[in-house]
Amino acid sequence: KAGVTQTPRYLIKTRGQQVTLSCSPISGHRSVSWYQQTPGQGLQFLFEYFSETQRNKGNFPGRFSGRQFSNSRSEMNVSTLELGDSALYLCASSTEGAGGTEAFFGQGTRLTVV
Amino acid sequence: AQTVTQSQPEMSVQEAETVTLSCTYDTSESDYYLFWYKQPPSRQMILVIRQEAYKQQNATENRFSVNFQKAAKSFSLKISDSQLGDAAMYFCAYRSGGARGANSKLTFGKGITLSVRP
Repeated sequence: KAGVTQTPRYLIKTRGQQVTLSCSPISGHRSVSWYQQTPGQGLQFLFEYFSETQRNKGNFPGRFSGRQFSNSRSEMNVSTLELGDSALYLCASSTEGAGGTEAFFGQGTRLTVV
Repeated sequence: AQTVTQSQPEMSVQEAETVTLSCTYDTSESDYYLFWYKQPPSRQMILVIRQEAYKQQNATENRFSVNFQKAAKSFSLKISDSQLGDAAMYFCAYRSGGARGANSKLTFGKGITLSVRP
């Protein structure tokens, strides 16, 4: 069974640009969550999608958005990039995204904003 | 809001020895789950062990076990017979229980870097 796949693995963008990251969950998983990982702030929850609907949202500005398609694949978009958006973005999928259900993580997309 | 604290940024252990990683959390909820995740240099987060708050028995997974002290809000991870492959960053995480999807996010601690000496 294929794991969670995130593309691209590495990305370099210029301040002010926008970027789209992709996450393909494990087959059968309907919940997809996104996390931002930085040395200073650690791992922070961005948002979660379940059956194409945003179900939970973290404390990030509106420049961060996402969506989920009918096949459960999810994309995350960041507009008007800032230097502080440089981070590792992790995607996690699970069957229900709740309680004790295991979240399976991808290897992340390393975004560098210059 | 829930918080998770890992106060030790780094630890080191001799191969084959035992090491304990500490984690405390704060919550007003009674129904929740606690996790330890491992993040090796490949950056992929891997679930090590999980604990349901309503279970008094400490979870174990092979060489990994936890000491869950609910009243003290403490959740430490013990790694026995440490191996070189255990070297990684370890994160303690919290998730609310309750209604499905009500609060699906994982709240992570800052992590601890574990090195294993041969």
